[in-house]
Amino acid sequence: QQPVQSPQAVILREGEDAVINCSSSKALYSVHWYRQKHGEAPVFLMILLKGGEQKGHEKISASFNEKKQQSSLYLTASQLSYSGTYFCGTSHSGGGADGLTFGKGTHLIIQP
Amino acid sequence: DVKVTQSSRYLVKRTGEKVFLECVQDMDHENMFWYRQDPGLGLRLIYFSYDVKMKEKGDIPEGYSVSREKKERFSLILESASTNQTSMYLCASSFVQGVGNQPQHFGDGTRLSIL
Repeated sequence: QQPVQSPQAVILREGEDAVINCSSSKALYSVHWYRQKHGEAPVFLMILLKGGEQKGHEKISASFNEKKQQSSLYLTASQLSYSGTYFCGTSHSGGGADGLTFGKGTHLIIQP
Repeated sequence: DVKVTQSSRYLVKRTGEKVFLECVQDMDHENMFWYRQDPGLGLRLIYFSYDVKMKEKGDIPEGYSVSREKKERFSLILESASTNQTSMYLCASSFVQGVGNQPQHFGDGTRLSIL
């Protein structure tokens, strides 16, 4: 079952912050975050593993709430280059028994 | 840098044809994946493979098959193409140690149109 991403779309001014959520109805082993710009391949941002860790990548960070089966992606002081569609991908085991199941994506538009 | 190369960027085929989409990766990754991407639906897993000659069905395998004869190459086959298979197809690869904890590297995609 696909994880649910929210919001579906968000429009920000440069410098504003954004939060994108990803929720699953099944127990999660890991959550991946990817960004895709129009006409390009999805690009890996980060992985969060079961254990509730928080990771950071420049001004983009994420958290994993194991109890809620939810991950959130935080974009602070957004830049024009952050525009694109963000996908979360979930895995329910650490072995090779399942692939990633991706959400439908969140469209992020950063305006000057 | 990891390179995942898909053989065609754009492809137009006719209904009923047998269609082959090819993907090659140069990083000796064990895992390879095929997704299709449709507007409003995100990426959906068709098949994946964790070793040569091994394959696992994803969420939407109907109407597709795959082949992995060599570690670096993973082929997606549309046995008898239909118009509802018009889509963007993305190939990805990753190291082993579990699908869940290694990043996937994507190719640029093949936009397939079935007429």
